[in-house]
Parts: sequence; C-alpha cells; structure tokens
Amino acid sequence: DVKVTQSSRYLVKRTGEKVFLECVQDMDHENMFWYRQDPGLGLRLIYFSYDVKMKEKGDIPEGYSVSREKKERFSLILESASTNQTSMYLCATLGAAVRTEAFFGQGTRLTVV
Amino acid sequence: AQSVTQLDSQVPVFEEAPVELRCNYSSSVSVYLFWYVQYPNQGLQLLLKYLSGSTLVKGINGFEAEFNKSQTSFHLRKPSVHISDTAEYFCAVTSKTSGSRLTFGEGTQLTVNP
Repeated sequence: DVKVTQSSRYLVKRTGEKVFLECVQDMDHENMFWYRQDPGLGLRLIYFSYDVKMKEKGDIPEGYSVSREKKERFSLILESASTNQTSMYLCATLGAAVRTEAFFGQGTRLTVV
Repeated sequence: AQSVTQLDSQVPVFEEAPVELRCNYSSSVSVYLFWYVQYPNQGLQLLLKYLSGSTLVKGINGFEAEFNKSQTSFHLRKPSVHISDTAEYFCAVTSKTSGSRLTFGEGTQLTVNP
C-alpha cells in the first residue's frame, strides 16, 4: 500500500517560531510537493522537488523553505511563523514514469497563534 | 507556465440529476490531467486521469471526463449524482517534462441535495 506520511495531523505554534513539517514517502517517487489548502483558493503550490537536493519555487514560496536530503523525505520549513500561515498543508508525491498519479498525505493543520 | 482554471466554485444539484464540473488548463507542452475528490475531513483521492490515448476517460464512482485538446479542457461529468457525491473536486495538470510541477485548480464544491 502506498504511503505518504506527514509527521503531524495538528500543530499549534507561536508567532515567530521556526516550524518544520516533515513528509516521508515509500513510493520511490522522484517528485515531491508541498501545498497549502485554504477555503476558496484550492491547493496552492509552495515548493516542489524533482530530485534529491533539487528544489523549485512554486506559486507562493515567500516565508517558506524546503529541504530534500534523501529521496524519501521532503521537509517544509516556516522560518518565522506568522498568523497568515495558519492553514492546511498537504504533501504529495508523483513518479516520473508514464502512468503515474500523485499520492497525498493526510495533511497537517497548522495554527499559528 | 501551466495553469488550471475551474470555472465554477460551487455547483448545487438535485439527487439523480446529471452534473458537469468544468476545467480548463493552459500549458505549452503535452500534459497529464487529473481529477481528485476530497470528501469532508478527508484527504485527496484520485477520481480519474488522462495520460494519453482515448480522450474519454472513465473513473471511479461513475465519473468520466473528456480531454479536449483544441479547447484545452478536461470537464468532469456524471449522468446521475447521489447524495454521497457531495465533496470538493479538484482538477490538476502536470507536463511530460522532467522536473514538472503539479498544478491544481481552485476547486469546485459539489453539493447534492435530496
């Protein structure tokens, strides 16, 4: 069974804290993605990675960074959390081969107070 | 750059009525297209995908979608909906190039009323 595991379902952090969201996959997929989901805005791409140590900015990278030291792990970092980063964060993976599909983690509901 | 536009943010329908959720995409290269569904308080689940071949794609739960390259559309349809189809639906696009992003639309909330 495919597994994309996000380290926390719920997180509450204080403004200004450095926050780490972890995502681990067992699919051996090359591509990994971080999205945030907000009502009425759909899934907005923050960052993605197509290989180890490779990363690309998505549509809303400001205030975030990422790390991919190993193929199976993709971390999202909020350098200094702010209240406007309160959201649902979703990790996804996608293989590079034909006939692939994206698989999602269950999401992390982050609240910044 | 690629993008996806879902033309309706909310679609209310009555049970057993047909439904169409509209999706348009833009991309300069050949694409893969997907529809995902998200039931309340759950994760995203793949409904169907277009990779190549037949432009009419059948998915789970009686849904189907038609890829129209000339109109750059990938509309989702179901001939008769059920209450249990109430959910949010997302259209997504990725390209066949390496290092490609996976871009989603804004989502369409389908509400099926009795």
